[in-house]
Amino acid sequence: AQSVAQPEDQVNVAEGNPLTVKCTYSVSGNPYLFWYVQYPNRGLQFLLKYITGDNLVKGSYGFEAEFNKSQTSFHLKKPSALVSDSALYFCAVRPLLSTGGFKTIFGAGTRLFVKA
Amino acid sequence: DAMVIQNPRYQVTQFGKPVTLSCSQTLNHNVMYWYQQKSSQAPKLLFHYYDKDFNNEADTPDNFQSRRPNTSFCFLDIRSPGLGDAAMYLCATSRSRGSSYNEQFFGPGTRLTVL
Repeated sequence: AQSVAQPEDQVNVAEGNPLTVKCTYSVSGNPYLFWYVQYPNRGLQFLLKYITGDNLVKGSYGFEAEFNKSQTSFHLKKPSALVSDSALYFCAVRPLLSTGGFKTIFGAGTRLFVKA
Repeated sequence: DAMVIQNPRYQVTQFGKPVTLSCSQTLNHNVMYWYQQKSSQAPKLLFHYYDKDFNNEADTPDNFQSRRPNTSFCFLDIRSPGLGDAAMYLCATSRSRGSSYNEQFFGPGTRLTVL
């Protein structure tokens, strides 16, 4: 079965420290990979995506993610966390060879809490 | 600014009383999606339109219907809301052709309360 795993329900980090939010996936073929962020009572906002090419992808608000094909992971990172980064983060995968049209598989989400 | 708009932001309905949620977009995207999200869980895809083609998820209850009268608008109809349908409903769009697939743009959501 195709799935996305975010193994941590919550990540706590001090402001100014680096942060990592983990994501692993299990899908057939070479997928498209995405990170979205959700602030309270808001819709999801796109952060970054990996389609092909360089394994390190840079996105909005200073975030980046590293695609690791052998480990089937796509961890989200930021060198220096801000209190305003506190939000719910979703990893998402769209299987490239999906027969299900445009279905995106979302992870369960990881709540990031950045302490001042 | 180009965006995805959802109205209303908050909707209260009674058990069994039909309700319609609306979504409009100024992005001119060809794909529109409806998701249900409960308690900060992962969004659950209900259905999507690829242009005019409607694609229903296998596990979406018959109680949920959708209409897309034109490129810009999409509606979610809940024919007989139950208490379990209380959730945030998210509309999203993307520009996708053939095998290409781009990121989705989400509206702010409509929070549905069922009394």
